[in-house]
Amino acid sequence: QSALTQPRSVSGTPGRSVTISCTGTSSDVGGYNYVSWYQQHPGKAPKLIIYDVTKRPPGVPHRFSGSKSGNTASLTISGLQAGDEADYYCCSKAGSYIVIFGGGTTLTVL
Amino acid sequence: DVQLVQSGAEVGKPTESLRISCKVSGYTFTNYWIAWVRQMPGKGLEWMGIIHPGDSETSYSPSFQGQVTMSVDKSINTAYLYWSILKPSDTATYYCARLPAPDYPVFDFWGQGTMVTVSS
Repeated sequence: QSALTQPRSVSGTPGRSVTISCTGTSSDVGGYNYVSWYQQHPGKAPKLIIYDVTKRPPGVPHRFSGSKSGNTASLTISGLQAGDEADYYCCSKAGSYIVIFGGGTTLTVL
Repeated sequence: DVQLVQSGAEVGKPTESLRISCKVSGYTFTNYWIAWVRQMPGKGLEWMGIIHPGDSETSYSPSFQGQVTMSVDKSINTAYLYWSILKPSDTATYYCARLPAPDYPVFDFWGQGTMVTVSS
């Protein structure tokens, strides 16, 4: 099973917004409302920032939001801050007892 | 506080065996599944599979089936990832993470990662 498709890199300036896409198929992203997003800073473990497509865990700023349309999920980060510079991964249910990650996107804050 | 604490970095030779661990605390071990995730150097996250600490039920990604073995020891709240024959391509950082259901991708707590280096 191939990884979900994410852009390799995106960039934005402080205070602006960026959106990271995550494209799958009707067998994963499009088939379930079980998409999550993870932020990973260099040398650190991933951190859950969005689950169930749109929900934020406690402590995650409202600047992070998720959405989905068809087979593509999206993560939007508004009011970009320097600390948002990191790698971002989407993740989706892909069948019974199967989960799949996206290839990852590097966010650069210019 | 929920914590998943992994064993330290390992260096092994090809064909050797290796086991790394993930000790959890701060929650009931058998109430959540444990997933293992690989991250090769400079690459993305790969879901390897999951194990339920209550009954040791496992599900492996097809890419990792037969390559690794997951197990748990409920008496000490610890999950393990085992290789019987290491390969250079196993060089990576391995993370354990907990999730509430087998195919519900909400990894809310992660271990700090164990770096495995395989070299002759």
